[in-house]
Amino acid sequence: SYELTQPPSVSVSPGQTASITCSGDKLGNKYACWYQQKPGQSPVVVIYQDNKRPSGIPERFSGSNSGNTATLTISGTQAMDEADYYCQAWDSGTVVFGGGTKLTVL
Amino acid sequence: EVQLVESGGGLVQPGGSLRLSCAASGFTFSRYCMNWVRQAPGKGLEWVANIKYDGSEEYYLDSVKGRFTIFRDNAKNSLYLQMDSLRAEDTAVYYCARAPIDYGDSYYFDYWGQGTLVTVSS
Repeated sequence: SYELTQPPSVSVSPGQTASITCSGDKLGNKYACWYQQKPGQSPVVVIYQDNKRPSGIPERFSGSNSGNTATLTISGTQAMDEADYYCQAWDSGTVVFGGGTKLTVL
Repeated sequence: EVQLVESGGGLVQPGGSLRLSCAASGFTFSRYCMNWVRQAPGKGLEWVANIKYDGSEEYYLDSVKGRFTIFRDNAKNSLYLQMDSLRAEDTAVYYCARAPIDYGDSYYFDYWGQGTLVTVSS
């Protein structure tokens, strides 16, 4: 079965750029998306179709996907961006999530 | 406003059964592919199953095949998950989630419910 791998944690200082990676075999040949989940809340999509932002998602969130790696980039990270982030892809009719990355803003 | 409201969670013994429901409103339910996604306590997201807009196709996580059944009633704007032969490892918050109408090859979840907790324990 298809697998996606994320780093368990990433730390960033306020105002700096955070990058969260998601690795999978030939992931660049599929579309990747990213969800943000804050404690006690349901996930929210922040990037879909590799690099598209839903309405209401700040411009500081961006995405890319090439080769075996998709990347979520948060520019000018704010304290409110502290959350768990999950990548997700679709393979042969089934959905796969990465293990999640806890983003700490300190 | 799109709303997805799950219900039916609770405490069940190993080997038991439970049926989850998801009431949809604010969109034309019969035009959308729907999903169940779960999250064990303190763990990550795990997709469970999905069903096409007309109920013609279903897909399942390997570990729930033969035990869980996803189905829908478009006349009632409702999605269901019948869970049988439950195991301790099925303990999780179960979310109902919608895929966008025009997902093509970019399948993702644009709306989520608030989730319902299922606890499998003796």
